[in-house]
Amino acid sequence: AQKVTQAQTEISVVEKEDVTLDCVYETRDTTYYLFWYKQPPSGELVFLIRRNSFDEQNEISGRYSWNFQKSTSSFNFTITASQVVDSAVYFCALSEGDDKIIFGKGTRLHILP
Amino acid sequence: NAGVTQTPKFQVLKTGQSMTLQCAQDMNHEYMSWYRQDPGMGLRLIHYSVGAGITDQGEVPNGYNVSRSTTEDFPLRLLSAAPSQTSVYFCASSYSSAGEQFFGPGTRLTVL
Repeated sequence: AQKVTQAQTEISVVEKEDVTLDCVYETRDTTYYLFWYKQPPSGELVFLIRRNSFDEQNEISGRYSWNFQKSTSSFNFTITASQVVDSAVYFCALSEGDDKIIFGKGTRLHILP
Repeated sequence: NAGVTQTPKFQVLKTGQSMTLQCAQDMNHEYMSWYRQDPGMGLRLIHYSVGAGITDQGEVPNGYNVSRSTTEDFPLRLLSAAPSQTSVYFCASSYSSAGEQFFGPGTRLTVL
């Protein structure tokens, strides 16, 4: 069965520091999709990125970057020069062939001014 | 486009009562799903649907029913509410399970 592990329950960093959120997944499928979502204190869920299993290129979007490594079954998320507005809960998710989308338990990120 | 809408925003039930959480989307998405969010547990999949007339169970389906008679609507029914069902419920839709999920604003349910 598919599984997503976000071992970091809560992280606090000082503003402008870099921070990496870890995501490790388990799947038996060769075709699958990985996602990151953000849930700010207001409570809505916001899509950040999708990656398919055949594309191991790292991606950068502004201060955000993602490192996908199939060899270690990881899809880590780095925020560079963090800002207070980055404070949120971040979820990693996995979708495979059975159409179920499974989320990790999330990492609560506190950016301290 | 309204996106994904959920009603009600808040609900208080007594143990044993039944109710339906409504979810609708206007993006013509085939895939819809329900999640519950509890502290420290992340988002857990309750039920999902890949199209009208097709539903399937997720990780935590017990105590919940769903139906998908139209592409737009995906209601979640609590048959006999229990305090363990106190949670925040999110509905989501997308073109498929491989795509970006669009989430509704959530329903905060308390069962006394």
